[in-house]
Amino acid sequence: NAGVTQTPKFQVLKTGQSMTLQCAQDMNHEYMSWYRQDPGMGLRLIHYSVGAGITDQGEVPNGYNVSRSTTEDFPLRLLSAAPSQTSVYFCASMASGTGGDTQYFGPGTRLTVL
Amino acid sequence: GQSLEQPSEVTAVEGAIVQINCTYQTSGFYGLSWYQQHDGGAPTFLSYNGLDGLEETGRFSSFLSRSDSYGYLLLQELQMKDSASYFCAASSGYSTLTFGKGTMLLVSP
Repeated sequence: NAGVTQTPKFQVLKTGQSMTLQCAQDMNHEYMSWYRQDPGMGLRLIHYSVGAGITDQGEVPNGYNVSRSTTEDFPLRLLSAAPSQTSVYFCASMASGTGGDTQYFGPGTRLTVL
Repeated sequence: GQSLEQPSEVTAVEGAIVQINCTYQTSGFYGLSWYQQHDGGAPTFLSYNGLDGLEETGRFSSFLSRSDSYGYLLLQELQMKDSASYFCAASSGYSTLTFGKGTMLLVSP
């Protein structure tokens, strides 16, 4: 199993550009999430999904859209990039919603918005 | 809202024992998890406490006291490779985690 994969690893955008960060998992996990990590801020939840066709907002959803058409894929779209969205983005998946389950994280996408 | 507080940095020497504390304020609290992250890489799961008490996994142990809204991660027989950031995370609600800001552990020879 590849686990959780993310592409691209690095990306530089200009203000106002749009792009999609890809995330895929091959563990048949129902739950997937997107986090951003900024220096000194820990990981903050952007959006999450409890299954195909179901998404919900996390702590910092503004400026981002998600969709979940399949169990495997959970792309994150930046509609109009802003410098404040410069961050490291992590996708994660989990088998079920119970508290004791492990979240498996992808390697991250390092995004810079100029 | 939900918040977790943990020290920003802890230092220790090889072979020592170190404890990283975490206090939380959350609604609908299910349990407390701990994750390790090396140099900005992918966070990896270490342990979970859903009930009060101590959970032991090799050199790592984690403790939870719901009445005190407090938990800690205990690392024994520290090794250089344990130098990393450690995050506590509260499960509250369906499949969501709220993370603390992380504790950077520096292990010296």
